[in-house]
Amino acid sequence: EIVLTQSPGTLSLSPGERATLSCRASQTVSSSYLVWYQQKPGQAPRLLIYGASSRATGIPDRFSGSGSGTDFTLTIDRLEPEDFAVYYCQQYGSLPYTFGQGTNLEIK
Amino acid sequence: QVQLQESGPGLVKPSETLSLTCTVSGDSISTSYWSWIRRPPGKGLEWIGYIYYTGSTNYNPSLKSRVTISVDTSKNQFSLNLRSVTAADTAVYYCARGGAYLDVWGKGITVTVSS
Repeated sequence: EIVLTQSPGTLSLSPGERATLSCRASQTVSSSYLVWYQQKPGQAPRLLIYGASSRATGIPDRFSGSGSGTDFTLTIDRLEPEDFAVYYCQQYGSLPYTFGQGTNLEIK
Repeated sequence: QVQLQESGPGLVKPSETLSLTCTVSGDSISTSYWSWIRRPPGKGLEWIGYIYYTGSTNYNPSLKSRVTISVDTSKNQFSLNLRSVTAADTAVYYCARGGAYLDVWGKGITVTVSS
């Protein structure tokens, strides 16, 4: 199975800064079938990005995804207070589908 | 607005069967794939499996021998059965819409395996 490793484990930034989150796969993720989710405490995960770079419905354009093969990035420009949360990547290119362990984006 | 709601017991004894139901509102279950995912305490998310409304399923090999996902189109629900549970199955269980990526999630239900 494909193992996804997210880095850093915790990222401390201030509102207004840019966040860069990494997701590295142990094997090539076919067709860039990679998604990013945001999860806040006590809430359901929220789909942000699918197909590595396509924003889901209603997601602000300060969220962007990029990458292919084994290296993927989620970038959040101009951090808003509501952006501080845990972010997960997931690959759906090959079964079993797998998730990264998450990056905790916290307020500095 | 599509909403998913998990329901079932919050406490299950070791060696017994964990049974959860996901009720879908705002969408017909006969239009998509539907999935179960879990998050053990202190760990990341784990994909359990998915079902299509026709009954076609796909499971995580790590759980395949113990898992059954079923669908009831008349009730717009789908269900998870996990047999022979141990403490390692303690987790927050989520249901979600989709078979590949998941665009709508339930809020999750905490299930503890303990005697």
